[in-house]
Amino acid sequence: KAGVTQTPRYLIKTRGQQVTLSCSPISGHRSVSWYQQTPGQGLQFLFEYFSETQRNKGNFPGRFSGRQFSNSRSEMNVSTLELGDSALYLCASSLGQPGDTQYFGPGTRLTVL
Amino acid sequence: AQTVTQSQPEMSVQEAETVTLSCTYDTSESDYYLFWYKQPPSRQMILVIRQEAYKQQNATENRFSVNFQKAAKSFSLKISDSQLGDAAMYFCAYRFTQGGSEKLVFGKGTKLTVNP
Repeated sequence: KAGVTQTPRYLIKTRGQQVTLSCSPISGHRSVSWYQQTPGQGLQFLFEYFSETQRNKGNFPGRFSGRQFSNSRSEMNVSTLELGDSALYLCASSLGQPGDTQYFGPGTRLTVL
Repeated sequence: AQTVTQSQPEMSVQEAETVTLSCTYDTSESDYYLFWYKQPPSRQMILVIRQEAYKQQNATENRFSVNFQKAAKSFSLKISDSQLGDAAMYFCAYRFTQGGSEKLVFGKGTKLTVNP
């Protein structure tokens, strides 16, 4: 089975712009979670989608949003980018059942100038 | 609030030796799952081992094993016969159900260096 894929792998944007990141889960996985990883804050949970519905959300401003399509692929959008949004964005997929293991993608490195 | 603490920001070990990485967590839940993930410089987060809280037996995966002490809320990772490829950031994570969905909380990580 193919693993979790994320595109693009690298992005450079300027303040005020918006960005869309994409995540394709492992075949058969219906849950996709997004995380932001920074040296200072570590790994922080952004949100989780299951069967096209947002099931949970972390403590991030409304500039961070996402969606999931019927094929379980997910996109994450960040509007009005700030310098502090520079981070590695990881997505993880799972079957979505209690205690499932989450499998991570390689991440998208976003740099905001 | 559920928190995960990794008290060792950095650790080093000689090749072929054994090293133990510490992890403690805080929870009021009785049913949860614990994981160790490895993140090499390539950045891909890789599952190392998982433990169900309801199982008393410690999980083992080849050279990797855990010491799960539920009452003490401790979940340490032991790496035996360390190899150069084990060098990475190691994250301890706690997974629980809240509001019908699964949440995963990570520790800050331990950077492991393997010396030849």
